[in-house]
Amino acid sequence: TQLLEQSPQFLSIQEGENLTVYCNSSSVFSSLQWYRQEPGEGPVLLVTVVTGGEVKKLKRLTFQFGDARKDSSLHITAAQPGDTGLYLCAGEETGGFKTIFGAGTRLFVKA
Amino acid sequence: DAGVTQSPTHLIKTRGQQVTLRCSPKSGHDTVSWYQQALGQGPQFIFQYYEEEERQRGNFPDRFSGHQFPNYSSELNVNALLLGDSALYLCASSRLKEKQYFGPGTRLTVT
Repeated sequence: TQLLEQSPQFLSIQEGENLTVYCNSSSVFSSLQWYRQEPGEGPVLLVTVVTGGEVKKLKRLTFQFGDARKDSSLHITAAQPGDTGLYLCAGEETGGFKTIFGAGTRLFVKA
Repeated sequence: DAGVTQSPTHLIKTRGQQVTLRCSPKSGHDTVSWYQQALGQGPQFIFQYYEEEERQRGNFPDRFSGHQFPNYSSELNVNALLLGDSALYLCASSRLKEKQYFGPGTRLTVT
């Protein structure tokens, strides 16, 4: 069974600080996705990383896919209160249609 | 263009009862997936429907069943409800294996 482990589980920081969230697996994934979920809403896709070593930037968010395609990280620069939410990594099960999610990192940015 | 819609928004049921949740996919999407998200956890894949057939199923008992209609909308049925079935149930739609769009979810409470 392919699993995704996220760390940390919870992060509370001050506005303006930088942070990194990690997503790790012992299995290879063909791609990994990062989602953000706010209370009362479904997850919203932020980015998909496909190639080992790939780096993608979305404003103050930087996403990296590990060379072996088993892990990924999300780095936020100068966090803002609007970044508060649950960040989820997800990957599609090899040879199937099932999307596997990590347990998520709950981020709280204080003004 | 309406996104993914789900009904009802909230639902309270008693142990042993049965429940039906509904999902309308985003326009142009033909694939619907259902997820269960327990409090503080990431979404867990229940099953996926395509062309009115269950294409893949996650590790959920037979009490969980579904249906997809010719207009691509879908229902999730849960029989003999248990307290542990209390969760946010998310529906996601996509076209083939493209990006998934999630609905806001149905919050089910079993007492």
